[in-house]
Amino acid sequence: EIVMTQSPATLSVSPGERATLSCRASQSVSSNLAWYQQKPGQAPRLLIYDASTRATGIPARFSGSGSGTEFTLTISSLQSEDFAVYYCQQYDNWPPWTFGQGTKLEIK
Amino acid sequence: QVQLVESGGGVVQPGRSLRLSCAASGFTFSTYAMHWVRQAPGKGLEWVAIIWYDGSNKYYADSVKGRFTISRDNSKNTLYLQVNSLRPEDTAVYYCAKDSDGRGYYGDYWGRGTLVTVSS
Repeated sequence: EIVMTQSPATLSVSPGERATLSCRASQSVSSNLAWYQQKPGQAPRLLIYDASTRATGIPARFSGSGSGTEFTLTISSLQSEDFAVYYCQQYDNWPPWTFGQGTKLEIK
Repeated sequence: QVQLVESGGGVVQPGRSLRLSCAASGFTFSTYAMHWVRQAPGKGLEWVAIIWYDGSNKYYADSVKGRFTISRDNSKNTLYLQVNSLRPEDTAVYYCAKDSDGRGYYGDYWGRGTLVTVSS
């Protein structure tokens, strides 16, 4: 089973600043990685797939990068609606599909 | 627009069963794989099961293998999860998610979830 590790667990950033979230895989997942955003009481929403492709309707301030075992989600200028929990998920080697434990992005 | 609506959750005693449903609309249900993913209170996401577009293949997380059964009825655009021998650790919100493909990649649309609480 591929283990996904996200860091940091909590990230405090001021609105308008840049946020950088990391995700590491225990073995290579090529570019088969997705990022999701989840707000309290809501379902997850797909942000990024194939490591760097934005999903439909996702603003350009969200970008993904990386391949192999190291991945990054960057939010270039944080808006109030961006404060949420973010999960990475690999779909390279399955089953099981595995998620990271999440990074909570909070207002500084 | 894609819509996924889960139902069937509730409070159930340990050892009992439930059947969860997910009604799909807004896309050609029969051409996409479907997942169940759960989230225990205050915890992260845990993938539970997937069924291919035609029902020909099903895969499960080790934590539910032998107790949960995923199925689909393409004529009714509905996904199911039969959950048996429930344990307190199965308490979670259960989400259905549409896969981006017929055989399993990532969930591009998710329902709002249905809460299953296992308690005596």
